[in-house]
Amino acid sequence: QSVLTQPPSASGTPGQRVTISCSGSSFNIGNNAVHWYQQFPGTAPKLLIFSTSRRPSGVPDRFSGAKSGTSASLAISGLQSEDEADYYCASWDDSLNGLVFGGGTKLTVL
Amino acid sequence: EVHLVESGGGLVQPGRSLRLTCKGSGFSFGDYAFNWVRQAPGKGLEWLTFIRSKRHAETTEYAASVKGRFTISRDDSKDIAYLHMTSLKIEDTAVYYCCRGSEAIIVDLDYWGQGTLVTVSS
Repeated sequence: QSVLTQPPSASGTPGQRVTISCSGSSFNIGNNAVHWYQQFPGTAPKLLIFSTSRRPSGVPDRFSGAKSGTSASLAISGLQSEDEADYYCASWDDSLNGLVFGGGTKLTVL
Repeated sequence: EVHLVESGGGLVQPGRSLRLTCKGSGFSFGDYAFNWVRQAPGKGLEWLTFIRSKRHAETTEYAASVKGRFTISRDDSKDIAYLHMTSLKIEDTAVYYCCRGSEAIIVDLDYWGQGTLVTVSS
């Protein structure tokens, strides 16, 4: 059972806009930044969004992050087949004194 | 180009110890924090620990699941971070990733190594 809650799966068709949610509490998302990671099968995760809404260099602006209260979201616009991957959210938890991850969302491009 | 390369994984019996190594290159190693994150087969990501830079006294934090059993350390002269794991359990079986963190945020994990597989089994 993950501290942050993500839907196990999401899907969309090419060109669509898809949103992945990440729900937490006042101890984590409500008081700290959220980071998002993308992972393809058999490879290491890659930082996609840091500090809730900032993109590392090289990440397309099709990816965006936002937060409201104790929930965060990752939006992918202009969905492409190569976006099919697992996505994880993470945030520091002040009560656990550690970084906590969501359980991951498997994105399928139909 | 930033590179992190983990090594030291393998098959180990329950109760034994293992030390993982993370070698960095392509950046100023001493300016960054380092984290270890693991992923059990077919499961999600689990953060384990971080160590801050020398400028921040190399302070550390641990997840409850490994506190007292795992120890993170670093040797900036060799550009290496370590994870010393003791009293290993079957449930510690996972791919272990070394991740870089910025000095300010620490847990933004902007670069990851390829991972090293640790299998705990008798």
